[in-house]
Amino acid sequence: DSGVTQTPKHLITATGQRVTLRCSPRSGDLSVYWYQQSLDQGLQFLIQYYNGEERAKGNILERFSAQQFPDLHSELNLSSLELGDSALYFCASSVEDSSNEKLFFGSGTQLSVL
Amino acid sequence: GQQVMQIPQYQHVQEGEDFTTYCNSSTTLSNIQWYKQRPGGHPVFLIQLVKSGEVKKQKRLTFQFGEAKKNSSLHITATQTTDVGTYFCAGNQYGNKLVFGAGTILRVKS
Repeated sequence: DSGVTQTPKHLITATGQRVTLRCSPRSGDLSVYWYQQSLDQGLQFLIQYYNGEERAKGNILERFSAQQFPDLHSELNLSSLELGDSALYFCASSVEDSSNEKLFFGSGTQLSVL
Repeated sequence: GQQVMQIPQYQHVQEGEDFTTYCNSSTTLSNIQWYKQRPGGHPVFLIQLVKSGEVKKQKRLTFQFGEAKKNSSLHITATQTTDVGTYFCAGNQYGNKLVFGAGTILRVKS
C-alpha cells in the first residue's frame, strides 16, 4: 500500500459526460501528480500541484482540469468525454517539489467511456 | 522537448534467463529513476541513480547510469516468475519534471 488513495477504482460513463477523479496523497506529501496510461502506452504526465498551486503542465487537454484543495487532496475533472479518453488515470504524490523526489502512485482509476 | 526512449518494448524470456532493458535520453539527465508495474497494479519506485557511471544492485537487479548521464539500463539476472511486469525508466533534465519512458513489458515463461 503506497498510502495514496484514489477513488473511484472504476468509472464507466458515456461520451459527452463529465467525471471527477479524486486523489488523497500520502500523509505529509505536498505534491500531487496526475498521469494517464492508455493501452500499450506509457505514463503520460498531465499536471502537477504543489501545496495548492499548479506547478507544471504536461499533455493535458483543455477539456481536462485539476485542482488541489487546502487539505492537499486533488481532483481531476474530465469533461466532454470522448472514446479516446478511456484510460487508467494515476495519481502520484511526493513530499516536495524537487526533481529528485520519488513518486508514490495510487492504484488508479480505470475510466471507460462508451 | 525532453524525450526518454526505452527498449525493447516487450520481452518474453524463459525462467532463469537474464533480461535487460535500456533507457536513452535526448538530453543530459540530472537523475534517473526506475519503476516496476505488476500486471493490474500501479508503478512502484525501485531505485534512483544520480551520479555519472553509477551502478547499484538490488539482489538480482543491477541498475546502471551512463557516464554521459544520457542512458541507463536495468539488468535482471536469472529471471523468476515474480519479475513479470512493466519496467519504466523516468528521467528529468535539470529543473524539469520526470519524463517516463514507454516501458518494457517482461513476461517470464516457467
